Amino acid sequence: QKEVEQDPGPLSVPEGAIVSLNCTYSNSAFQYFMWYRQYSRKGPELLMYTYSSGNKEDGRFTAQVDKSSKYISLFIRDSQPSDSATYLCAMTEGASKIIFGSGTRLSIRP
Amino acid sequence: ETGVTQTPRHLVMGMTNKKSLKCEQHLGHNAMYWYKQSAKKPLELMFVYSLEERVENNSVPSRFSPECPNSSHLFLHLHTLQPEDSALYLCASSLEEGTSSYNEQFFGPGTRLTVL
Repeated sequence: QKEVEQDPGPLSVPEGAIVSLNCTYSNSAFQYFMWYRQYSRKGPELLMYTYSSGNKEDGRFTAQVDKSSKYISLFIRDSQPSDSATYLCAMTEGASKIIFGSGTRLSIRP
Repeated sequence: ETGVTQTPRHLVMGMTNKKSLKCEQHLGHNAMYWYKQSAKKPLELMFVYSLEERVENNSVPSRFSPECPNSSHLFLHLHTLQPEDSALYLCASSLEEGTSSYNEQFFGPGTRLTVL
């Protein structure tokens, strides 16, 4: 079993829709949960990170962590064509290396 | 553009060639990383350097040889690669490595490597 599972997509939604991206994981020691966004021909950039369980909101983006279910989500409200990218979930125990998901390719149709 | 730059951006090489990838960070960070990104696979950590010392080598074949001459520069020397080594090679840096809390990693744009 992979440490982090992420549906690769592609996921295509119309502009303005709410997008839900998800990852599951197996290591209960993970404490830090991140979402990276990667545009074509660019490196990943950190979008949001949360520590332990709970929700975190930043503008149109909301990250949720459910440690009891080992499940994390990223919601994008009022999606824009500029949100079209690959979204990578990632997590770490803290001092140890970061484990990444394989990424979900998202396309927002105008 | 981020504070991490990588050259070249694209590289095509034969299996018998020797080439080097270069990474430079302008963020004053102390830790640098090499990752391999293949299609539909998670990022694979290859090497970690902290204060110019290698602290992790994730069972990477010896045809990949890293070098970190100072905390701002990181190289990946390549020789006798295989076609399956074709991938995007990403460099990243963070303020510190190995502390008790998460340190954000900043990525460069990557080098797209094709091995013929």
